[in-house]
Amino acid sequence: DAKTTQPNSMESNEEEPVHLPCNHSTISGTDYIHWYRQLPSQGPEYVIHGLTSNVNNRMASLAIAEDRKSSTLILHRATLRDAAVYYCILRGYNTGNQFYFGTGTSLTVIP
Amino acid sequence: NAGVTQTPKFQVLKTGQSMTLQCAQDMNHNSMYWYRQDPGMGLRLIYYSASEGTTDKGEVPNGYNVSRLNKREFSLRLESAAPSQTSVYFCASMLGTGSFNYGYTFGSGTRLTVV
Repeated sequence: DAKTTQPNSMESNEEEPVHLPCNHSTISGTDYIHWYRQLPSQGPEYVIHGLTSNVNNRMASLAIAEDRKSSTLILHRATLRDAAVYYCILRGYNTGNQFYFGTGTSLTVIP
Repeated sequence: NAGVTQTPKFQVLKTGQSMTLQCAQDMNHNSMYWYRQDPGMGLRLIYYSASEGTTDKGEVPNGYNVSRLNKREFSLRLESAAPSQTSVYFCASMLGTGSFNYGYTFGSGTRLTVV
């Protein structure tokens, strides 16, 4: 399995930026970095993904280290609706058709 | 656009009973997946179908069978339910497996309790 390491939990104040880290020191050159989040009692939903360059979309930004051994999901302004478990997942030749979900980071947003 | 639809949303079974969880997607995706999620844990892959007519085992296939009925539908069957199969089951689909650039779309889950 292509492994990722994330903190078990993080807290953020509402309306402040949140930086969710992910380490993936064994990443290979073909591995894409995918982020999903799972709101309470719902299925996971896609957030963002990237290969080498930083990526932005309406939900978040993904900052990828130059050596690609780590990445950071950035929520620019946390809201209460962003409270969820965030999963950082690698997908490439070693993972093939599957996504391997770890336990992710549980984000608490404080009003 | 409904995305991925799972039925039923909730189910209680007695040990030894059988049931089939249904999943359908309307996005013309080629690949479909079944995951289970136990309390406090991440998702674990049970079975997947990379394309219509093919199925493969995932990480935790024991006690389950699957059928890729057509391109839209992928069902998961428990032949003889056990308490250890109490879990939340998620179905997902993906456009294809030809690129690692693709991502999943998940259904909202089926909460199964085996007593």
